[in-house]
Amino acid sequence: KNQVEQSPQSLIILEGKNCTLQCNYTVSPFSNLRWYKQDTGRGPVSLTIMTFSENTKSNGRYTATLDADTKQSSLHITASQLSDSASYICVVRGPSYNTDKLIFGTGTRLQVFP
Amino acid sequence: DAGVIQSPRHEVTEMGQEVTLRCKPISGHDYLFWYRQTMMRGLELLIYFNNNVPIDDSGMPEDRFSAKMPNASFSTLKIQPSEPRDSAVYFCASSLSGSGTPDNEQFFGPGTRLTVL
Repeated sequence: KNQVEQSPQSLIILEGKNCTLQCNYTVSPFSNLRWYKQDTGRGPVSLTIMTFSENTKSNGRYTATLDADTKQSSLHITASQLSDSASYICVVRGPSYNTDKLIFGTGTRLQVFP
Repeated sequence: DAGVIQSPRHEVTEMGQEVTLRCKPISGHDYLFWYRQTMMRGLELLIYFNNNVPIDDSGMPEDRFSAKMPNASFSTLKIQPSEPRDSAVYFCASSLSGSGTPDNEQFFGPGTRLTVL
């Protein structure tokens, strides 16, 4: 079982609409959780990072939330644009004393149509 | 800074051939990571280095894969012999911080798309 699971696998929305992507993880304890955006043919780029004590973090139209009790995170995209079409990957880092390895979800593929 | 540089961007080779992928990390970064990405499995960590020393290679699929980092500005991932199931996008990433530091963003290169026929 993957330690970081994302849903949905893919999502299609119309330009201007909002959407929410989900990430459930079992990594415990953890140092931080990041959301990455990966455009087609490019490497992933970090959108937000949250530590254990943070509940929400915004980056423009992107807002990430974290519930450490239920081990869930979400990424909310407001007023979607065509440029939001990409894969969004949830990444959890294990405890800082353990390893520098990151645990990646398999991503949600978002397509925004005009 | 130009970011993480990878070459080649695309590689097509025949089964059995040797493949060498190259990476130049961001100057000053002391961690370097090699990942493989496929549709089925997503991003998988193959190996990572700290100060040019391999720290964890448990993700390397088998002996056909090897990685080196002869200096702080260059790393290679070699597959010999290559097989069709090695077809994937291979990413190199680098970061500045390590254990004990919460903000450890990894900066990814553009990737090398490998096709083994």
